[in-house]
Amino acid sequence: QKEVEQDPGPLSVPEGAIVSLNCTYSNSAFQYFMWYRQYSRKGPELLMYTYSSGNKEDGRFTAQVDKSSKYISLFIRDSQPSDSATYLCAMKSNDYKLSFGAGTTVTVRA
Amino acid sequence: DAGVIQSPRHEVTEMGQEVTLRCKPISGHDYLFWYRQTMMRGLELLIYFNNNVPIDDSGMPEDRFSAKMPNASFSTLKIQPSEPRDSAVYFCASSFYGRGLVTGELFFGEGSRLTVL
Repeated sequence: QKEVEQDPGPLSVPEGAIVSLNCTYSNSAFQYFMWYRQYSRKGPELLMYTYSSGNKEDGRFTAQVDKSSKYISLFIRDSQPSDSATYLCAMKSNDYKLSFGAGTTVTVRA
Repeated sequence: DAGVIQSPRHEVTEMGQEVTLRCKPISGHDYLFWYRQTMMRGLELLIYFNNNVPIDDSGMPEDRFSAKMPNASFSTLKIQPSEPRDSAVYFCASSFYGRGLVTGELFFGEGSRLTVL
């Protein structure tokens, strides 16, 4: 079993829809939870991070962490074609090694 | 400011050949990471350096892989001899101690796409 599980999709939604992405994990030592966005043929870039459990909102993006269920989510409201990318969840404990999910490819149709 | 710079962007080689991938981290960053990305295994950490010193190379798949960081502005990942199963996108990322690394913010280059025939 992988340390971080993420549904690879792909996910196709119409413009303006809400996109829901999620990951599960097995390592209870993880304390920092991140979402990276990767455009085609580019490197990943950090979108949001959350420490421990709770919600965090940044514009159209909301990240949720439920440590009791070992489950994290990313919601994209009012999705735009420019949101079309692969979204990777990542997490870490107190060291500097990130564990990544496989990534979910999202296409927002205009 | 320039981001992480990797070269070559694409490399096609034949099995058995030596491959050298290069990385220039962001100036001032004291941590450098090498990752490999494949469809089957996703992003895997190969090795990381702190202040040019290798800290953890437990992700390096075999002795055919080696990485060096001779100075703060340059690192190489070498595969010798290369095999078809090494085909992947290799990413270099850098970060800095403090908020960046604590929160997991890595700055990735655009990757080197390696195809071994």
